[in-house]
Amino acid sequence: NAGVTQTPKFQVLKTGQSMTLQCAQDMNHEYMSWYRQDPGMGLRLIHYSVGAGITDQGEVPNGYNVSRSTTEDFPLRLLSAAPSQTSVYFCASSSSGPAYEQYFGPGTRLTVT
Amino acid sequence: GENVEQHPSTLSVQEGDSAVIKCTYSDSASNYFPWYKQELGKGPQLIIDIRSNVGEKKDQRIAVTLNKTAKHFSLHITETQPEDSAVYFCAASWGKLTFGGGTRVLVKP
Repeated sequence: NAGVTQTPKFQVLKTGQSMTLQCAQDMNHEYMSWYRQDPGMGLRLIHYSVGAGITDQGEVPNGYNVSRSTTEDFPLRLLSAAPSQTSVYFCASSSSGPAYEQYFGPGTRLTVT
Repeated sequence: GENVEQHPSTLSVQEGDSAVIKCTYSDSASNYFPWYKQELGKGPQLIIDIRSNVGEKKDQRIAVTLNKTAKHFSLHITETQPEDSAVYFCAASWGKLTFGGGTRVLVKP
């Protein structure tokens, strides 16, 4: 059981570039989410999904897109990267839903120059 | 929306001493309060949680207390060990999790 996996581990982008952060889980969890972690601000919810084909916005969704075509995968897309998106990104999954225990991946550290 | 404040932001303790981290929340409807531990270079991991119908919960050296009237909850770590050094996050939940800003705990041998 690999749990929640994320790729890449590190990424450097130039302003305006696009990229996709990958997330996969092998626990058959219905609920998946993306958070960003910035110093002193804890983890803030970007987008979440309660099942394949269903996504919704979290607290800080602007500049990010998501889709959920399978139970296992939940990629996060940055359409036009900005320096304000420099952060550590965590994907999480849960069998209980958005309000309960989350299993987090190891994170992707993104720097936008 | 929910707002969670966490204090202190850093905490240095001597090995064997106790550590206490406190969080306050704003939404009285919140009913689930987890604590996560994040080690360097890793994702957060749930260490203990409490629901609103319980005032205190213990698991070996860690305990969480909840005061719903005052809207605050705390994490207590007793007999601290070097492996307790990490960043700890509290969260409150009504529909979705809202996290506090984190506490960096350093246990000095």
